[in-house]
Amino acid sequence: ETGVTQSPTHLIKTRGQQVTLRCSSQSGHNTVSWYQQALGQGPQFIFQYYREEENGRGNFPPRFSGLQFPNYSSELNVNALELDDSALYLCASSLVDFSTDTQYFGPGTRLTVL
Amino acid sequence: RKEVEQDPGPFNVPEGATVAFNCTYSNSASQSFFWYRQDCRKEPKLLMSVYSSGNEDGRFTAQLNRASQYISLLIRDSKLSDSATYLCVVNDTGRRALTFGSGTRLQVQP
Repeated sequence: ETGVTQSPTHLIKTRGQQVTLRCSSQSGHNTVSWYQQALGQGPQFIFQYYREEENGRGNFPPRFSGLQFPNYSSELNVNALELDDSALYLCASSLVDFSTDTQYFGPGTRLTVL
Repeated sequence: RKEVEQDPGPFNVPEGATVAFNCTYSNSASQSFFWYRQDCRKEPKLLMSVYSSGNEDGRFTAQLNRASQYISLLIRDSKLSDSATYLCVVNDTGRRALTFGSGTRLQVQP
């Protein structure tokens, strides 16, 4: 086990609603990254938080937003849900180190948008 | 063109077979390279990092060719438990984002 936890495990929402997903990073890790994995695809990078600041963002619209808290846990918020937002949302924690920054994934939250 | 390209498979092989997966990446600034394994409906798990000199971990051997921007994974003596999707992953340290291929599915049969 990686020590990265996510909640909830499953979620069903309808179009237009808003959702908040949560992630607790592995002990000692100060960086959390969020990924979206659609069925049959590899995970796609949404954004990363380091010391409570956004530290890089992928090709996702502004309705995807996030937070990181002083204890390094993190939230992913998605507004105005669309059907295509149905996916497995993964968070990954890492320790920023310029020699290596291997990322360890949590079990994911499976979001279904109806 | 995708940043990381893999053959989606599936690769159906008998137990004990040797199987190789290949992957190409387009971003020459990529600094770190990995293979992750993902079981059905589970999270990706790090299988191994890939180094320029090549590296081995038990039955698994990974190779990197920076000039050709090509990564490979060799699995020897396949086990039923090796059945999974193998994700080729590159990391541009500047962006701090992992870029995943779509994965190659392996099914090892008895």
